[in-house]
Amino acid sequence: DVQLAESGGGLVKPGGSLRLSCAASGFTFRNHAMSWVRQAPGKGLERVSSISGSGTNTYYGDSVKGRLTISRDNSRNTLFLQMNSLRTEDTAVYYCARGPHHDPPDVFDFWGQGTMVTVSS
Amino acid sequence: SYVVTQSPSLSVAPGQTATITCGENNIGSKSVHWYQQKPGQAPVLVIYYDDDRPSGIPERFSGSNSGNTATLTISRVGAGDEADYYCQVWDGSNDRVVFGGGTKLTVL
Repeated sequence: DVQLAESGGGLVKPGGSLRLSCAASGFTFRNHAMSWVRQAPGKGLERVSSISGSGTNTYYGDSVKGRLTISRDNSRNTLFLQMNSLRTEDTAVYYCARGPHHDPPDVFDFWGQGTMVTVSS
Repeated sequence: SYVVTQSPSLSVAPGQTATITCGENNIGSKSVHWYQQKPGQAPVLVIYYDDDRPSGIPERFSGSNSGNTATLTISRVGAGDEADYYCQVWDGSNDRVVFGGGTKLTVL
């Protein structure tokens, strides 16, 4: 079975940093694009960032460009999101999501349970 | 930038059919995907590439996409279908993912 397990969320002050991880199992990780999708409390879904299966191509939403960096380690079946210069509006549940193809990350067929990031002073 | 529009809410009696729409100019030229999200849970893909159903999704869920409207249809609605439903497209012109604002389905 496909499993995605996020970790690394927590409380951080504005301007601070956090690194999220997503451990994947149950499928050939390198064959699939991966993404981070977030959901602010009571709000809808927003794709934050995506990365192709090989890691060659990366994609970012306008609101996070220059502050968040997506990466992956295919030898460890793990997806990462380095979050710098965090703002209060980054407060959300962050989901790790798999795409059915290597690239592009055009749809999300499996999702993790999410990790909460709270940015507050 | 590309924006897709969903009605915020829909109420349906048990056993009836729910029709949830996602609108944008010429959305029929793009592939549309649909997600179900129940309170406190992660989203689940229920329809992809307009009308395909992932393994494990009941046949009661179907999709269509033409012109300016994509539609998710849920037949024989039950209490277990109460959830938020989001449509999503991939804007290949600028490599962006666009989600609709979501429709809250209430089963009366």
